[in-house]
Amino acid sequence: AQTVTQSQPEMSVQEAETVTLSCTYDTSESDYYLFWYKQPPSRQMILVIRQEAYKQQNATENRFSVNFQKAAKSFSLKISDSQLGDAAMYFCAYGGYNNNDMRFGAGTRLTVKP
Amino acid sequence: DTAVSQTPKYLVTQMGNDKSIKCEQNLGHDTMYWYKQDSKKFLKIMFSYNNKELIINETVPNRFSPKSPDKAHLNLHINSLELGDSAVYFCASSTGTDNSPLHFGNGTRLTVT
Repeated sequence: AQTVTQSQPEMSVQEAETVTLSCTYDTSESDYYLFWYKQPPSRQMILVIRQEAYKQQNATENRFSVNFQKAAKSFSLKISDSQLGDAAMYFCAYGGYNNNDMRFGAGTRLTVKP
Repeated sequence: DTAVSQTPKYLVTQMGNDKSIKCEQNLGHDTMYWYKQDSKKFLKIMFSYNNKELIINETVPNRFSPKSPDKAHLNLHINSLELGDSAVYFCASSTGTDNSPLHFGNGTRLTVT
């Protein structure tokens, strides 16, 4: 089974600075999808960004971008110009080709300091 | 309009009781899921249904029984509740095809006393 590893249980960043959250995964598949979800204290799960494994170009959504290294099986999330509202748990997730089985990492708790 | 709605939001009950959590999605998705989030925030898939058919059952005790009357609903019934069942349970849905993200409900916090 695929596994997703987030090695940083907690991270902190100063407001307006940049932070990078790490994620690695293990798979034998060639086609798959990767996601970052945000869970604020309200506990709602919010999709931040997604990446198709067949695409070489890194996905970007406003202040959020990823560094996808397929050979290294690495999928990090970069948050630029961090805002107080970015404080949350961030989960990396792996979706297989038919996407019936999405696996999550253990999460990274991000604190944003004013 | 709420895309994925689950009820109740909070559930407090005693050990040994039987309880149900309901989930409905109005997105027209074919695939629905139940995830369990423990006290350490770890999200673990429990079940996945595609068009009312069970696709994934992840070593979940038999006390947990999902029911999908139609593809818009996936309810979770739990028998003989135990202290270790205390967690937040998330329902989610997706199209089940390439690149489709999960759309989550707001979760049900189950507390077993």
